[in-house]
Amino acid sequence: SQTIHQWPATLVQPVGSPLSLECTVEGTSNPNLYWYRQAAGRGLQLLFYSVGIGQISSEVPQNLSASRPQDRQFILSSKKLLLSDSGFYLCAWSRQGQETQYFGPGTRLLVL
Amino acid sequence: AQSVTQLGSHVSVSEGALVLLRCNYSSSVPPYLFWYVQYPNQGLQLLLKYTSAATLVKGINGFEAEFKKSETSFHLTKPSAHMRDAAEYFCAVTTNYGQNFVFGPGTRLSVLP
Repeated sequence: SQTIHQWPATLVQPVGSPLSLECTVEGTSNPNLYWYRQAAGRGLQLLFYSVGIGQISSEVPQNLSASRPQDRQFILSSKKLLLSDSGFYLCAWSRQGQETQYFGPGTRLLVL
Repeated sequence: AQSVTQLGSHVSVSEGALVLLRCNYSSSVPPYLFWYVQYPNQGLQLLLKYTSAATLVKGINGFEAEFKKSETSFHLTKPSAHMRDAAEYFCAVTTNYGQNFVFGPGTRLSVLP
């Protein structure tokens, strides 16, 4: 069976510090991968998606970037965090050619 | 482009009562529709999905949803609410395998004893 992991689960960072959130998927190969942000009291906003290694599409211009160094690894980064980067970050995966997305447990980021 | 609206950001029902969470979508092509549930501080769990087969879709935890093309709706129902159903519910739509997956704003369900 497939599983998706995210870490850390919770992170508190000062404004201006760098960020690296990691997402890995097990039990499947060549998945589509996605990063979403969920701000307090709001819905989900798609940030990035990837259909393969090194292939990243950005949905919203912002302070964040994403990378996919390995087939089942997806990383969300920032060089300098802003207060507005606080939120709940969710990673998801789907099989190539299929529509259903499966979500990880999320990382709660608080920027102070 | 697709869009999703969920009427009612917060719905309260009594334990044992009918649950009805509303979702309306907009799509220029036949959509795939989903309901996800999110418990506090957790990721999203797939409840059910419509992918152009049967219009009445049964999901986990006793939930079901009916796709009504004429009403562009995909409302989520459960005959009898349980305390453990208290969570946030998201409706979502896509058309081309997830690259334009659009979520609604969510509905928080409270279940009163």
